[in-house]
Amino acid sequence: DGGITQSPKYLFRKEGQNVTLSCEQNLNHDAMYWYRQDPGQGLRLIYYSQIVNDFQKGDIAEGYSVSREKKESFPLTVTSAQKNPTAFYLCASSRGDNNQPQHFGDGTRLSIL
Amino acid sequence: AQSVTQPDIHITVSEGASLELRCNYSYGATPYLFWYVQSPGQGLQLLLKYFSGDTLVQGIKGFEAEFKRSQSSFNLRKPSVHWSDAAEYFCAVEGTSYDKVIFGPGTSLSVIP
Repeated sequence: DGGITQSPKYLFRKEGQNVTLSCEQNLNHDAMYWYRQDPGQGLRLIYYSQIVNDFQKGDIAEGYSVSREKKESFPLTVTSAQKNPTAFYLCASSRGDNNQPQHFGDGTRLSIL
Repeated sequence: AQSVTQPDIHITVSEGASLELRCNYSYGATPYLFWYVQSPGQGLQLLLKYFSGDTLVQGIKGFEAEFKRSQSSFNLRKPSVHWSDAAEYFCAVEGTSYDKVIFGPGTSLSVIP
């Protein structure tokens, strides 16, 4: 079955470390997204990519970086510049046309040690 | 600017009772509207979507939603709630730029046996 795989499910980071969250999709979708979810705040867009080798900042991109070297992969790096990284991170993808719904992975929960 | 509000942070209903979750949006043109459901520690699953046409939309798991332009609302309903419906529900709106899917803050649903 096609879908989106996020790994790991749980991730712990020490102060000052960069960590990378994996997101892989086999839906043949062009567009991919990263969201951050905090309690009571819904989802906030971090970065998105409409096509390979191209990506744009979302609403809260500071302290994060991404790459899109392959269509099926869109890893997110949480850098040491992100001062409050503890959150639930969700990756999504869509066909890339207007009005196409996004499909979500099961998320990665990042915590600071 | 586009926005989505979900007035109810938390709702508790008895199993077998009917359910209505409220969603109000702010958008100038005809919006694309979605409802998603999220179980604890999981990603979001699309319940239904509205793009145009019939204002009453049927979704999965027995859910439906009604688009009311005059009230800028897209409320989610289910005639008889099951214990497995306990989850977080998100309303979302997409505007002219597909990357700008705006999610509401979510409504947490608890179901009493």
